[in-house]
Amino acid sequence: DAMVIQNPRYQVTQFGKPVTLSCSQTLNHNVMYWYQQKSSQAPKLLFHYYDKDFNNEADTPDNFQSRRPNTSFCFLDIRSPGLGDAAMYLCATSIGQGNSPLHFGNGTRLTVT
Amino acid sequence: ELKVEQNPLFLSMQEGKNYTIYCNYSTTSDRLYWYRQDPGKSLESLFVLLSNGAVKQEGRLMASLDTKARLSTLHITAAVHDLSATYFCAVEGYSGYALNFGKGTSLLVTP
Repeated sequence: DAMVIQNPRYQVTQFGKPVTLSCSQTLNHNVMYWYQQKSSQAPKLLFHYYDKDFNNEADTPDNFQSRRPNTSFCFLDIRSPGLGDAAMYLCATSIGQGNSPLHFGNGTRLTVT
Repeated sequence: ELKVEQNPLFLSMQEGKNYTIYCNYSTTSDRLYWYRQDPGKSLESLFVLLSNGAVKQEGRLMASLDTKARLSTLHITAAVHDLSATYFCAVEGYSGYALNFGKGTSLLVTP
């Protein structure tokens, strides 16, 4: 089945230690998104790639970076995680035109110790 | 600033009862999306509403869209425990395709 796969499901990192989360898709969608969801809150868009074009949300901290080396993969890099960065990180994909829903992966739950 | 507001944020209802969740938004978008999230899980697409007056139904859930009022509703009919989850509405942001989510409505259906 075509899908969006995130690895790992659970990630523990130390305060200030860089961490990378990965996402892959078999849907061949143009757009890949990274959302941050803290407990009992709405998913918050961090950034997205439309093909190779990177689109950063204005309020996304510089601590968060992303890479999309090819259509299938996208990475979220947190350069110096703080305690406030503990959250569920959701990767999603879409065709990239209006009226197309986002397809979400199962998420990576990040713990910062 | 784009706003997506849901109410109520928390809802406890008895099995068999009916209830409506409301979603107000500030954009002029003609499209609105509903998602379901179970605890600790990811988001599952429920409905995509593409125009004014759109109505979609799946089982005990029915969603509608009034773009003039910038309002969408998610109506629950004869609730069952399996519907317990958090429901999010979302609208397209300024990109035209990335979604901005409301805070979600946490629904608990009790016997």
